[in-house]
Amino acid sequence: NAGVTQTPKFRVLKTGQSMTLLCAQDMNHEYMYWYRQDPGMGLRLIHYSVGEGTTAKGEVPDGYNVSRLKKQNFLLGLESAAPSQTSVYFCASSPGPGRSQETQYFGPGTRLLVL
Amino acid sequence: AQKVTQAQTEISVVEKEDVTLDCVYETRDTTYYLFWYKQPPSGELVFLIRRNSFDEQNEISGRYSWNFQKSTSSFNFTITASQVVDSAVYFCALSEAQAAGNKLTFGGGTRVLVKP
Repeated sequence: NAGVTQTPKFRVLKTGQSMTLLCAQDMNHEYMYWYRQDPGMGLRLIHYSVGEGTTAKGEVPDGYNVSRLKKQNFLLGLESAAPSQTSVYFCASSPGPGRSQETQYFGPGTRLLVL
Repeated sequence: AQKVTQAQTEISVVEKEDVTLDCVYETRDTTYYLFWYKQPPSGELVFLIRRNSFDEQNEISGRYSWNFQKSTSSFNFTITASQVVDSAVYFCALSEAQAAGNKLTFGGGTRVLVKP
């Protein structure tokens, strides 16, 4: 049981390049999330999903797109990377409706540097 | 809108000292959930505790204890007899029951440095 995994662990992009971050969970969780962490600002929600085929915007969605084609995967895309998107990205999942549905479990993070 | 404030940005203590981390929250929801997460230097986020708004019992887990007071909208975290391994950034977070997707709002974090 790997929990929540993220690919890649680290990436360097040039301004204008695109990339996709992959998040996978093996806990059969309904809900999945993407956050970014910037120094001194805690974590901020980018997008989230409450089930396969559904996505919704979080606090800072601009410049990102997401897809949840399979229940266990949640993809975060950057179509045209900007230096302001340099950050550490965390994926999380939670069980969804039911007991302890609110607790989110996090992946190890992806460090992204946009030059 | 919900908000979480961790006024202490950094706390430095000597090993075996106690350290208390403050967390103050704002919400209009009557049902909500509070969390503490630990982020050690390795970078991952580790879930520590979840507390429901209707359960004001304090909780103790080993050297960790949490004090939840609805009257002051606070959910403080104490590490007793701190150890070097407790050095990390600690985040308090809030989730409102009525919010879609159980979204979390995080505080800015408190960095704890435990010196030997």
